[in-house]
Amino acid sequence: AQKITQTQPGMFVQEKEAVTLDCTYDTSDPSYGLFWYKQPSSGEMIFLIYQGSYDQQNATEGRYSLNFQKARKSANLVISASQLGDSAMYFCAMREGPDSSNTGKLIFGQGTTLQVKP
Amino acid sequence: KAGVTQTPRYLIKTRGQQVTLSCSPISGHRSVSWYQQTPGQGLQFLFEYFSETQRNKGNFPGRFSGRQFSNSRSEMNVSTLELGDSALYLCASSHTGWYSSGELFFGEGSRLTVL
Repeated sequence: AQKITQTQPGMFVQEKEAVTLDCTYDTSDPSYGLFWYKQPSSGEMIFLIYQGSYDQQNATEGRYSLNFQKARKSANLVISASQLGDSAMYFCAMREGPDSSNTGKLIFGQGTTLQVKP
Repeated sequence: KAGVTQTPRYLIKTRGQQVTLSCSPISGHRSVSWYQQTPGQGLQFLFEYFSETQRNKGNFPGRFSGRQFSNSRSEMNVSTLELGDSALYLCASSHTGWYSSGELFFGEGSRLTVL
């Protein structure tokens, strides 16, 4: 069964420092995609970064990078040079491939609340 | 390019009433999925539509239903509202049912309060 686990309910980081948010996943489908979203208090889900299961290199998008360790089934988000505006809830999510009975279904972790201190 | 548009943004209903929420996907996107977010249960998948067909459904009672129109716009309906239906309802759109680029974007959500 597909599952996403985020073990850090809350994290603090000093402004300008880097922070890693943990995410592990479980799936039996060889084809899947992993996402990270940011949700500020307004409620909007903001797409940050995506990693496909067949991608050879770790995904990067500006200050965001995804540390993808396929054998360990982990997809940690790294935010470099944290900013005050990074304070929000962060969700890891997974979607299985087109041949899966779960295709079209995005499964989310419980989220990590990140607070950036000035 | 316009983003995913959800209406209404906020609404208040009473128990027993019904509600219809609307989602207009990004132009050219054919897949629309719906999610319910509550403090207790987190984000849960409701259903996904692709080219007007429901392809997958989450574990919700039959009071929750949806549909997709030929222009890819989608609506979800909740009948006989219960207090526990109070939640943020999020809609997401993507170009195809599967993608390799991670193109899956959310609207700002419809916040439903049931009194």
